[in-house]
Amino acid sequence: DVKVTQSSRYLVKRTGEKVFLECVQDMDHENMFWYRQDPGLGLRLIYFSYDVKMKEKGDIPEGYSVSREKKERFSLILESASTNQTSMYLCASSSGTLEQYFGPGTRLTVT
Amino acid sequence: GENVEQHPSTLSVQEGDSAVIKCTYSDSASNYFPWYKQELGKGPQLIIDIRSNVGEKKDQRIAVTLNKTAKHFSLHITETQPEDSAVYFCAAEGTYKYIFGTGTRLKVLA
Repeated sequence: DVKVTQSSRYLVKRTGEKVFLECVQDMDHENMFWYRQDPGLGLRLIYFSYDVKMKEKGDIPEGYSVSREKKERFSLILESASTNQTSMYLCASSSGTLEQYFGPGTRLTVT
Repeated sequence: GENVEQHPSTLSVQEGDSAVIKCTYSDSASNYFPWYKQELGKGPQLIIDIRSNVGEKKDQRIAVTLNKTAKHFSLHITETQPEDSAVYFCAAEGTYKYIFGTGTRLKVLA
C-alpha cells in the first residue's frame, strides 16, 4: 500500500523560529510536492522536486525553501516563521505525471 | 498563466440526490484531469480521473465528463450518501505539476 508520511500532524511555533516539515514516501517516486491549503484558496503549490537535489518554485515560494537529499525525503523549511504562514501543509509524491499521493497534512500554527 | 476555476464553493444536497461540480481550465495543453476527495483530517485522495482522449468516464456512482473544446470538465455523483460529504478538488495537468481548483465542500443531508 502506497504511503506518504509527514513528520507531524500538528505543530505550534513562535514567530521568527526556523521550522522544518518532513515528508517521506515509500513508492520510489521521482516527483515530490509541497502545498499549503487555506480556506477558499484551495491547494497552492509552494515547491516541487522532480529528482534528488532538484527543486522548482511553485506558485507561492516566498518565505520557504526546500531540500531533497534523498529520493524518498522532501523537506520544507520556513527560515523565519511568520503568522501568515499559519496553514495546513500537504506533501505529495508522484511518478511521472500520474496520480499524486498525498500525506495526511501538518497543521502549523505560528504565534 | 495556468488557472482552474471550480464551482460551486459549497453544495448541499439531500441524501439520494445527485451532485454536480464544475471546473474550467485555461491551458489547452492539459491532457489529464484528476478529481480528489478530502475527508476531514485527511489528505486528498484520487477518486476518478479522465484523459483528453475520452469524453466521459464512470466508476459506480461517480462520473466525470470532459469537453476539451470548451475547456471544462465536471464531476457527477449520483445517489449521494452521507459518506460523500467532503471537500472535492478538481485539477488539470500542467508541466510536472497539477493546477488545482479552489475546492467544493459537499454536504449530504440525511
